[in-house]
Amino acid sequence: NFMLTQPHSVSESPGKTVTISCTRSSGSIASNYVQWYQQRPGSAPTTVIYEDNQRPSGVPDRFSGSIDSSSNSASLTISGLKTEDEADYYCQSYDSSEVFGGGTKLTVL
Amino acid sequence: EVQLVQSGAEVKKPGESLKISCKGSGYSFTSYWIGWVRQMPGKGLEWMGIIYPGDSDTRYSPSFQGQVTISADKSISTAYLQWSSLKASDTAMYYCARRPAAGRFDYWGQGTLVTVSS
Repeated sequence: NFMLTQPHSVSESPGKTVTISCTRSSGSIASNYVQWYQQRPGSAPTTVIYEDNQRPSGVPDRFSGSIDSSSNSASLTISGLKTEDEADYYCQSYDSSEVFGGGTKLTVL
Repeated sequence: EVQLVQSGAEVKKPGESLKISCKGSGYSFTSYWIGWVRQMPGKGLEWMGIIYPGDSDTRYSPSFQGQVTISADKSISTAYLQWSSLKASDTAMYYCARRPAAGRFDYWGQGTLVTVSS
């Protein structure tokens, strides 16, 4: 099976834009949808992006997702950063089994 | 409103057995896969397995095959995760989640913290 590799941590200032990457180790990133979850401390994960670039209702349009076949990676971009965006973010995809990325800790300082 | 409500925290000794639950409501429980996800302290999410309550079709991650048993009782809209002999390394938060499509979980339970310690 494949792996999804995320940066361990990223940090940015309030109001700025941050992008978190999720690189697939083998097989095409475009062959299966990518999902992104936000997990705040002490809480269960919640979906912020599904099917590569779709936002569930209630998720602000500051959150966007994309895939890049040239780098075989997916990206989660958060614009207009707020302190409440500080959380762990996980990507997920599928190829005969569910695969999660290792998670990225976003610090908004 | 879709809800997944998990059973409460457990403290067990090594070698003991355990069964935790996840009760679904607000949707057709038999029409969606339910998945189980482990999160060890300070670590990331790990997929354990999934079950389709409609016919109890079950799939396991190779990492968890033989280590746990996933089951469901559709009459009470509840999925289960069980261990026959717990180890200290089973200490973790366990989440159930509804799987509307392969590679995607949309609604999550609140989590069940399992602590295994002598």
